[in-house]
Amino acid sequence: EVYLLESGGGLVQPGGSLRLTCSASGFTFGSYAMTWVRQVPGKGLEWVSGLNGVDGDTYYADSVKGRFTISRDNSRNTVSLQMNSLRVEDTGVYYCAKVTGGYVSDYCDLWGQGTLVTV
Amino acid sequence: VLTQSPSASASLGASVKLTCSLSSGHSSFAIAWHQQQPEKGPRYLMRVHGDGRHDRGDGIPDRFSGSSSGAERHLTISGLQSEDEADYYCQTWATGIQVFGGGTKVTVL
Repeated sequence: EVYLLESGGGLVQPGGSLRLTCSASGFTFGSYAMTWVRQVPGKGLEWVSGLNGVDGDTYYADSVKGRFTISRDNSRNTVSLQMNSLRVEDTGVYYCAKVTGGYVSDYCDLWGQGTLVTV
Repeated sequence: VLTQSPSASASLGASVKLTCSLSSGHSSFAIAWHQQQPEKGPRYLMRVHGDGRHDRGDGIPDRFSGSSSGAERHLTISGLQSEDEADYYCQTWATGIQVFGGGTKVTVL
């Protein structure tokens, strides 16, 4: 079965840290770019960060640059998002998504169910 | 970069056409459509190319179709069903970045 499963969300004070993890199953994980997308409850989707599968390059939205770090462990089929210096405006549901190719510059074709972060 | 109308509605069994407008300078870009049912994560529906071709995701019924007209990309849902009541987002991408439209809420009357 093909799926993504996020974990690690929770309640944290402003200025605190949280690490989200996404576990993947059912596809050749290392070949694909992975991305994190967040959603303030009742609002739209906002791209947060992405990591190429081809060369490991990482990318961030301006709103999180310097505070968030994306990484992956291909041996464990996981992608993580380390979130530091959290702000109230980082509150939302964080979704992990698989990109259809090896580069972040492509579309998402598989989504997780999300994990809620409350700052 | 991507503009969507906030809402759309149509009767059960009817059709509805959603629009995602690309900003100037991006009119040839392909986009993807995603559906988000209430309290669920998004689901990929299809990619729509600038020439109007579309590629549906696995398991997506053919009553979901895509088309293009200039800088507009469309998602048409035919034979509306109650489970189609959801938010629909378009997405595009460039080197090192992904962008989402604001979403359209579809109500099935």
